[in-house]
Amino acid sequence: QKEVEQDPGPLSVPEGAIVSLNCTYSNSAFQYFMWYRQYSRKGPELLMYTYSSGNKEDGRFTAQVDKSSKYISLFIRDSQPSDSATYLCAMKKTSYDKVIFGPGTSLSVIP
Amino acid sequence: GAVVSQHPSWVICKSGTSVKIECRSLDFQATTMFWYRQFPKQSLMLMATSNEGSKATYEQGVEKDKFLINHASLTLSTLTVTSAHPEDSSFYICSALSRGANTDTQYFGPGTRLTVL
Repeated sequence: QKEVEQDPGPLSVPEGAIVSLNCTYSNSAFQYFMWYRQYSRKGPELLMYTYSSGNKEDGRFTAQVDKSSKYISLFIRDSQPSDSATYLCAMKKTSYDKVIFGPGTSLSVIP
Repeated sequence: GAVVSQHPSWVICKSGTSVKIECRSLDFQATTMFWYRQFPKQSLMLMATSNEGSKATYEQGVEKDKFLINHASLTLSTLTVTSAHPEDSSFYICSALSRGANTDTQYFGPGTRLTVL
């Protein structure tokens, strides 16, 4: 079993839709959870950073962490064509630890 | 947010030559930097952790003599791919760790695309 699993997609949605992206993980030691967005041929860009369980909202983005289920989610409201990218979940055990990435989900938002 | 740059953004080289990639943190000091490689449609795979002033820590399966890492200052880490071969062709991405009061955040560079002919 991989440490972090993520549906690779591709996921295609119409503009304005609510997008739900998810990851599951196996190691209960993970405490810090991130979502990165990566455009083609670019480096990852940090979108959301959360610690432990709970929700965090930033504009159109909401991150949820359920440590009891080892499940994290990213919701994108009012999706835009510019949101078309690969979304990578990531996590680490301590603040200064190496980051373990999921395989990424490819998202296309159709105008 | 913090900015990390990489140079070059792309490079093409002949098989057997060595290629150096630079990673710089532009507006913060980074005692720790990370080097990743990414194959098409795959996720980032950590190659090594680079600590300023000490030897890098390599992940299992990564040849330290082939991928030389030098972290000579708090804002610069370099990755040298020695005797490159076509199978080394990949997208190499660095990240720099920014230490905050409560938490540490990794910021990524834009990546370097290496093509070995």
